[in-house]
Amino acid sequence: AQTVTQSQPEMSVQEAETVTLSCTYDTSESDYYLFWYKQPPSRQMILVIRQEAYKQQNATENRFSVNFQKAAKSFSLKISDSQLGDAAMYFCASSSGTYKYIFGTGTRLKVLA
Amino acid sequence: GAGVSQSPSNKVTEKGKDVELRCDPISGHTALYWYRQSLGQGLEFLIYFQGNSAPDKSGLPSDRFSAERTGGSVSTLTIQRTQQEDSAVYLCASSTTGGLVGYTFGSGTRLTVV
Repeated sequence: AQTVTQSQPEMSVQEAETVTLSCTYDTSESDYYLFWYKQPPSRQMILVIRQEAYKQQNATENRFSVNFQKAAKSFSLKISDSQLGDAAMYFCASSSGTYKYIFGTGTRLKVLA
Repeated sequence: GAGVSQSPSNKVTEKGKDVELRCDPISGHTALYWYRQSLGQGLEFLIYFQGNSAPDKSGLPSDRFSAERTGGSVSTLTIQRTQQEDSAVYLCASSTTGGLVGYTFGSGTRLTVV
């Protein structure tokens, strides 16, 4: 069965500093996609970044970047210049087939002023 | 609509009652998904719609759960004879065709069964 593991239930970072959230996954699929979603207190899940497994280049979206290690099945999220608005739950997800996602249990990120 | 809209935002119901949760996806999104988020857990897939058809209902926990989608738009998730273990946030998402470009989620319905 496919699994996504986020081993850090909670992380803290000082404002303007950098933090890395960890994610490992297990899949038998040869072609798949990986995602990081942010869930603020409003509950709406917001797509942060997406990585296609066949691409070796790590995805980047402004202050957010990933470190994708395909052989190790690792997909970590780096947030640079952390801002108070980055405080939220972050979920890692892997695609399963063409439409379904498998989600991890989330990491709560606190940003300290 | 501009985003995925879910109603109600919060619902408290007594054990044994039936509830209906509504999702209005982004206009033009043919794919619609329901997920359940229990406290301290990740999101659990419930059901996938493509148009009005549900080719994958494998995540529905029991026959007390059902869902339908009409006109390729609004979807309703119905839970009959609610139990305390049904308490969770129910999230709806939509996407164009398949979901590999990423879903757009609604803000969910928090269901509390007392």
